[in-house]
Amino acid sequence: DAKTTQPPSMDCAEGRAANLPCNHSTISGNEYVYWYRQIHSQGPQYIIHGLKNNETNEMASLIITEDRKSSTLILPHATLRDTAVYYCIVMGSQGNLIFGKGTKLSVKP
Amino acid sequence: DAGITQSPRHKVTETGTPVTLRCHQTENHRYMYWYRQDPGHGLRLIHYSYGVKDTDKGEVSDGYSVSRSKTEDFLLTLESATSSQTSVYFCAISDAAELGTDTQYFGPGTRLTVL
Repeated sequence: DAKTTQPPSMDCAEGRAANLPCNHSTISGNEYVYWYRQIHSQGPQYIIHGLKNNETNEMASLIITEDRKSSTLILPHATLRDTAVYYCIVMGSQGNLIFGKGTKLSVKP
Repeated sequence: DAGITQSPRHKVTETGTPVTLRCHQTENHRYMYWYRQDPGHGLRLIHYSYGVKDTDKGEVSDGYSVSRSKTEDFLLTLESATSSQTSVYFCAISDAAELGTDTQYFGPGTRLTVL
């Protein structure tokens, strides 16, 4: 079972920031939080990952709370092409990514 | 994008026939994974490989076998396909120093239909 919980869906206006929350209250101290997204039936696309500190790359920012029980993925200026299912993931014991149901983000004009 | 290709991209087959899916990478990454994706289940790990001829079972390995004779190729075989194996299959690669410590990159997927 997934170690994370996310809202099933969210809407965002084009050009605005999209803030996607994730709860991972049972995460252990050395487990990274990964974010992926999947557009239609394409292969999942890596976005970002983090352990304790906030992270930023060319795609997004990841804010992890100090107690590490939750995190937020921020897409600073959402576009229509960011419409996808976003997965917040913690790795399983076999090194596999445990995908939950994710959040379906709809970016609207 | 990571250099990962999957073949075929689409396949329709009949129950009881053997099927082999191929994952090919040009990144020289150590780890390779096979996942399946079904509605309501997300992606689930079938098998993975941590080197040439080194493989292990994942969460849903029954009815599947794998082989890795070269670093760049990871084959998934359905010995006798069943309708329950109708799914989308994704290959992933990782250059982790050890299992579970690095980002995985996914291929485009193979859509398999078993009639």
